Amino acid sequence: GQNIDQPTEMTATEGAIVQINCTYQTSGFNGLFWYQQHAGEAPTFLSYNVLDGLEEKGRFSSFLSRSKGYSYLLLKELQMKDSASYLCAVRATYKYIFGTGTRLKVLA
Amino acid sequence: KAGVTQTPRYLIKTRGQQVTLSCSPISGHRSVSWYQQTPGQGLQFLFEYFSETQRNKGNFPGRFSGRQFSNSRSEMNVSTLELGDSALYLCASSFRETDTEAFFGQGTRLTVV
Repeated sequence: GQNIDQPTEMTATEGAIVQINCTYQTSGFNGLFWYQQHAGEAPTFLSYNVLDGLEEKGRFSSFLSRSKGYSYLLLKELQMKDSASYLCAVRATYKYIFGTGTRLKVLA
Repeated sequence: KAGVTQTPRYLIKTRGQQVTLSCSPISGHRSVSWYQQTPGQGLQFLFEYFSETQRNKGNFPGRFSGRQFSNSRSEMNVSTLELGDSALYLCASSFRETDTEAFFGQGTRLTVV
């Protein structure tokens, strides 16, 4: 079957670092994506990994291990505006498979 | 350039009716995919179109259908609406079907009463 798992909810403090994990099991793999979605808004692209390793983009980094079916999104120097849902998605053949999302609350 | 445009933004329909939602991709994008988002299920893939051809279809009943026009605009239709069809319907576009990034529209919030 095809499945993506990520924690439902996480809480962290402003200025801290948080790691959101994602495990996946899919038939066909053409890359793993992370999207950010604020309440009532459309998802926006954060990062893309297709090869193993770490991709860094400012305060956001994403890691992929294809052999383990595992990825994480690392957010550094958390800001209040980072409170949102973070969606892990796998690009399979002609479609994206999304996890249910991790709701991150950043506390002052 | 303009983003992905979905119309209407909000819609209220009665059980048994049918509805058509529209998605205009970013200019030049030829791939459009549709998703249903509900609080419990997250984003569920409906279908993907590229150059007017349906490339893939998700696990939804035949009441859900779609099409893509020669200008890459896409529509999805839901017939015989059920209460459970209440959701946010999102479409995303990319230049090619193999592109690494999809751009999402703001979605159509459908409420079935």
